[in-house]
Amino acid sequence: KNQVEQSPQSLIILEGKNCTLQCNYTVSPFSNLRWYKQDTGRGPVSLTIMTFSENTKSNGRYTATLDADTKQSSLHITASQLSDSASYICVVGHMLTFGGGTRLMVKP
Amino acid sequence: NAGVTQTPKFRVLKTGQSMTLLCAQDMNHEYMYWYRQDPGMGLRLIHYSVGEGTTAKGEVPDGYNVSRLKKQNFLLGLESAAPSQTSVYFCASSYPEPTNYEQYFGPGTRLTVT
Repeated sequence: KNQVEQSPQSLIILEGKNCTLQCNYTVSPFSNLRWYKQDTGRGPVSLTIMTFSENTKSNGRYTATLDADTKQSSLHITASQLSDSASYICVVGHMLTFGGGTRLMVKP
Repeated sequence: NAGVTQTPKFRVLKTGQSMTLLCAQDMNHEYMYWYRQDPGMGLRLIHYSVGEGTTAKGEVPDGYNVSRLKKQNFLLGLESAAPSQTSVYFCASSYPEPTNYEQYFGPGTRLTVT
């Protein structure tokens, strides 16, 4: 069964600090991996899309990495801001299997 | 360019009632999707469409029907609502298949079935 597991489930950090969110998947076949940001009460918004051949991709302060051999991805947020408070969702594969998300709270 | 819009934003139904959720996109996207999001769970695909006049079942299609009579609209119907269908429903679209293309989401519809 295709599965996407994210950790941690929730995370609290201080403004200005860095953090890393994890995503492990067992989706097959693999076509791409996405990270979405979902603000409370809003729909998800795409941050990055990575294909099999890419192992890192950046979007401003967000950097995603992909290890297709170990089927792991991470999302690194640098110099966090209060507006980074949201859920971050990992989505894998052609049929878009969604992880449960990591809820990040950035405190001043 | 409004992107993906959903109507209504909120709705409360009684068990057994029916309703239709409307999704509209103005980006000329071929693919459209309906998801539900429950607390602590990832988004789950209900139904999707790869073009006007076509629909297909997703992961959790039971209790829902869909129609794509016009390319820009994707309707989700609940014929006889049940409390288990209390959820937040998201519509999305992409052009064409989402393998390497952006998927755009609407703002969601919060449905409560009592």
